[in-house]
Amino acid sequence: AQSVTQPDIHITVSEGASLELRCNYSYGATPYLFWYVQSPGQGLQLLLKYFSGDTLVQGIKGFEAEFKRSQSSFNLRKPSVHWSDAAEYFCAVNTGFQKLVFGTGTRLLVSP
Amino acid sequence: DVKVTQSSRYLVKRTGEKVFLECVQDMDHENMFWYRQDPGLGLRLIYFSYDVKMKEKGDIPEGYSVSREKKERFSLILESASTNQTSMYLCASSRGDNAYEQYFGPGTRLTVT
Repeated sequence: AQSVTQPDIHITVSEGASLELRCNYSYGATPYLFWYVQSPGQGLQLLLKYFSGDTLVQGIKGFEAEFKRSQSSFNLRKPSVHWSDAAEYFCAVNTGFQKLVFGTGTRLLVSP
Repeated sequence: DVKVTQSSRYLVKRTGEKVFLECVQDMDHENMFWYRQDPGLGLRLIYFSYDVKMKEKGDIPEGYSVSREKKERFSLILESASTNQTSMYLCASSRGDNAYEQYFGPGTRLTVT
């Protein structure tokens, strides 16, 4: 069955430092992959998506993610974190039945 | 911009009450979804609908039902609320030809006492 693993429950990064959030997926065919962000008290907002083609995808708010088929990974990166990036981040993969499966999320804390 | 609205941000109900959570989207999307979000468990799909009056069970449908009488509106119903249904409930919608790109509402935090 399709699944998504986000191994880090919490990550703390200093403001201005780089960020990488890990995501590993399990899917039999070429997956569609997503990263969503949830700010406190808000719903989820789509940051970026991978369907096919270039394995490095750019998203909103300066985020990018790289699809690595050999590692079954889709890690999210940002070169310089801002205090407003503090939020919870969810990775998701399609199930092939018009549905998404979400990871358990990684909460990002940004220290001054 | 796609807008998905949910009728309440916070709701407190008593055990055994019938609870309705409403969701409305304004982008003529064919698909609508209900998730619940719990700490450490991420988002889990309760039900989804790909057309008016059509519904499919998600991963955790027990204790819930849904209604979709109009394209823009998708209701989640707790027939007899229980304390283990205390959670954040998120509604989402997507186009029929791109079900995976989902747009979310702000969520309803339901507390059942």
